[in-house]
Amino acid sequence: QKEVEQNSGPLSVPEGAIASLNCTYSDRGSQSFFWYRQYSGKSPELIMSIYSNGDKEDGRFTAQLNKASQYVSLLIRDSQPSDSATYLCAVNLDSNYQLIWGAGTKLIIKP
Amino acid sequence: DAGVTQSPTHLIKTRGQQVTLRCSPISGHKSVSWYQQVLGQGPQFIFQYYEKEERGRGNFPDRFSARQFPNYSSELNVNALLLGDSALYLCASSRPEDEKLFFGSGTQLSVL
Repeated sequence: QKEVEQNSGPLSVPEGAIASLNCTYSDRGSQSFFWYRQYSGKSPELIMSIYSNGDKEDGRFTAQLNKASQYVSLLIRDSQPSDSATYLCAVNLDSNYQLIWGAGTKLIIKP
Repeated sequence: DAGVTQSPTHLIKTRGQQVTLRCSPISGHKSVSWYQQVLGQGPQFIFQYYEKEERGRGNFPDRFSARQFPNYSSELNVNALLLGDSALYLCASSRPEDEKLFFGSGTQLSVL
């Protein structure tokens, strides 16, 4: 059973601080990794994708991948109240285009 | 360009009924995927279609079926509805060479 695990939270972070979200996955064959943001009552929105070990930065967001540890993370710098949402980690094994999703971490940014 | 569009946005059905959900992908996207999301959980893969052919099927019963039309739009059908089918049904489109999914706003299905 291929699994993606996330801490459900809620994770509470002061405005302006760094929010750190974590995700582990069970299948070593996983090739592609994605972070989606989902506001309450809305659909998931792609934030970041990462395919190789290391860091990938896009604005205030940094995705980190460690395939040896089967671990992927998302850092949000200078957190804003508008970042309050559920963050979903999704993993693609091989190239079958079927994403396996974690249950999401609820992030709350306190003003 | 318009995003992924889904209809209807909300639907209320009773047990045993049948439902059809519709999806139009982003222009230029030839692949459509369907996901079911229960409150508090991540999306669960149901189907993926590419060029009108089923490319993948998740662990859902045969009551669930789908198809893709020549214009790349898609329908998801669910027969003999159960209470447990109540969920947000998400459609996503993607380019053929790309794994990035772009989701529609979803159809909230309630089965009473």
